[in-house]
Amino acid sequence: ELKVEQNPLFLSMQEGKNYTIYCNYSTTSDRLYWYRQDPGKSLESLFVLLSNGAVKQEGRLMASLDTKARLSTLHITAAVHDLSATYFCAVLSMDSNYQLIWGAGTKLIIKP
Amino acid sequence: DSGVTQTPKHLITATGQRVTLRCSPRSGDLSVYWYQQSLDQGLQFLIQYYNGEERAKGNILERFSAQQFPDLHSELNLSSLELGDSALYFCASRGHGGTGELFFGEGSRLTVL
Repeated sequence: ELKVEQNPLFLSMQEGKNYTIYCNYSTTSDRLYWYRQDPGKSLESLFVLLSNGAVKQEGRLMASLDTKARLSTLHITAAVHDLSATYFCAVLSMDSNYQLIWGAGTKLIIKP
Repeated sequence: DSGVTQTPKHLITATGQRVTLRCSPRSGDLSVYWYQQSLDQGLQFLIQYYNGEERAKGNILERFSAQQFPDLHSELNLSSLELGDSALYFCASRGHGGTGELFFGEGSRLTVL
């Protein structure tokens, strides 16, 4: 059974700093998704990573996927307050009717 | 705008009551997923429908039921409501083929008093 673990679950950081959120998963998959959720709002798709070595960047966020290590990272460069949100990773389960298995989410607070 | 429409946006009701949440997927999407998110919690998968048929079930209580209609809209029925059912309920749709990405609606916030 595929399990997805995110860490840290909570992160408070200063503006201007760099940090990385990690998403580990337990069985083979080659598709991973990152979503952003503002408090009380919907989930917004950030990145879709479809193969080993995939790297996607949008503004100050960069996501990568290493399917051999079963690890994805979401890197934040020179954080700004507007990036404060909860970030979820989700992994496509190949043996569970192609369901998305979700991490618990990382609540990111960026202080001015 | 994801193209997924959910109604109502907010709903306040009393314990023991029954409510229906409605979802219209993106045009052309055959799959509909329902999720529950309690305050400051993660996403709990409830149920998935594909082209009118139930495809997968998650942690859905027996008091909850859902269906997908021929026009592909879906309804989630919640009955004998309890205080603990207060949550955001999200619907998401997924296209046939493609990247497997889910597109989420704005959610229905249910408050049970």
